[in-house]
Amino acid sequence: DIQMTQSPSSLSASVGDRVIITCRASQSIKNYLNWYQQKPGKAPKLLIYAASSLQSGVPSRFSGSGSGTDFTLTISSLQPEDFATYYCQQSYSTPPYTFGQGTKLEIK
Amino acid sequence: EGQLVESGGGLVKPGGSLRLSCAASRFTFSSYEMIWLRQAPGKAPEWVSYISSSGTTTYYAESVKGRFTISRDNVKDSLYLQMNSLRAEDSALYYCAREFEDCSGTTCYEGFDSWGQGTLVTVSS
Repeated sequence: DIQMTQSPSSLSASVGDRVIITCRASQSIKNYLNWYQQKPGKAPKLLIYAASSLQSGVPSRFSGSGSGTDFTLTISSLQPEDFATYYCQQSYSTPPYTFGQGTKLEIK
Repeated sequence: EGQLVESGGGLVKPGGSLRLSCAASRFTFSSYEMIWLRQAPGKAPEWVSYISSSGTTTYYAESVKGRFTISRDNVKDSLYLQMNSLRAEDSALYYCAREFEDCSGTTCYEGFDSWGQGTLVTVSS
């Protein structure tokens, strides 16, 4: 199975900060990479698919980049509602479609 | 946006069985591939099983293969997960999700764009 590793595991930041979360795949997944946001007690929400395509309704302060094995999620200016846990997930080839271990974004 | 509502979770002893259901509404259920995922407390989501829109193709995580069976009823707009020989490590919040697909030419990208609220499965003696 393809392993997904995120860094950092947790991150403290302030409203207005620019934040970057990284995700590395154990083998090339081209650009078959998704990002999700999960708030406590809620299901994950799809933010970005195909590494850089913004899902409908997601604010433009979220962006994604990368291909092959290295990917990033960038939040250009943190808003109070962005404090959550973020997961990357690969959708390359056939299942299983594995997730990273998560990055918890907390208020500084 | 679709709506998904899971049910059927509960407390079961090791070796026992449960059948989870997921009722879909506000979208054309028969047109979508569907997924079961699970999430243990404090852990990342884990992909569990996939079923094609027609129900003819299924996939399973190695950890549940041979014990879990995914199925669907496109007349009732419902997805199911039959779970047998349950183990303590199967304890988690189980979500059903819709697989979103964006295709350009022969290249398609998938993600899970609509999720239920989850149903809790606890396997304990």
